Amino acid sequence: EAQVTQNPRYLITVTGKKLTVTCSQNMNHEYMSWYRQDPGLGLRQIYYSMNVEVTDKGDVPEGYKVSRKEKRNFPLILESPSPNQTSLYFCASSPPPGGVYEQYFGPGTRLTVT
Amino acid sequence: DAKTTQPNSMESNEEEPVHLPCNHSTISGTDYIHWYRQLPSQGPEYVIHGLTSNVNNRMASLAIAEDRKSSTLILHRATLRDAAVYYCILRGNQGGKLIFGQGTELSVKP
Repeated sequence: EAQVTQNPRYLITVTGKKLTVTCSQNMNHEYMSWYRQDPGLGLRQIYYSMNVEVTDKGDVPEGYKVSRKEKRNFPLILESPSPNQTSLYFCASSPPPGGVYEQYFGPGTRLTVT
Repeated sequence: DAKTTQPNSMESNEEEPVHLPCNHSTISGTDYIHWYRQLPSQGPEYVIHGLTSNVNNRMASLAIAEDRKSSTLILHRATLRDAAVYYCILRGNQGGKLIFGQGTELSVKP
């Protein structure tokens, strides 16, 4: 089944403890992206990747890192999480990043930083 | 970056048509108009997209204004399962950076 998977689905952590949220897609998509969703703010893009080894900032990249060493994986790294990074996170992928292609979203990761 | 404007919320009755508007006055010539929806407790899912001509698929229709500065997502017969937040976004040929905004929360009454 074609899908985007995220792990973990739920995570509670403490301020300053490094964490990684994994994202994997099995559709051989070139484009991948991370979003966060907060009440009243909708979906905001954190980082995106046009292809392997190519990443760029979205609207809210502060406090996050990403890497794209393989086509199928796009992990989101929080080196020193803070409570304002408590949010619902979504990973998405699509074929070449052109306007004609739709994005496929993962199920989300709910992160709480205390 | 091109942005879109949508009403915060709309209501509909079950089995009636729903027209969800979106304004995108700064759209460029190569931007595609995409619609996604997010059901409660789920990730967003693709609904439809178009460039200039109106589009139909099994989920909905997309009507695009002649000047492309606005579009309307049409659900022909709303069901309770259509209650969701609907997002209108623009995606250019480079397609990298995307701005979703807050979307329109659609509620459907039985």
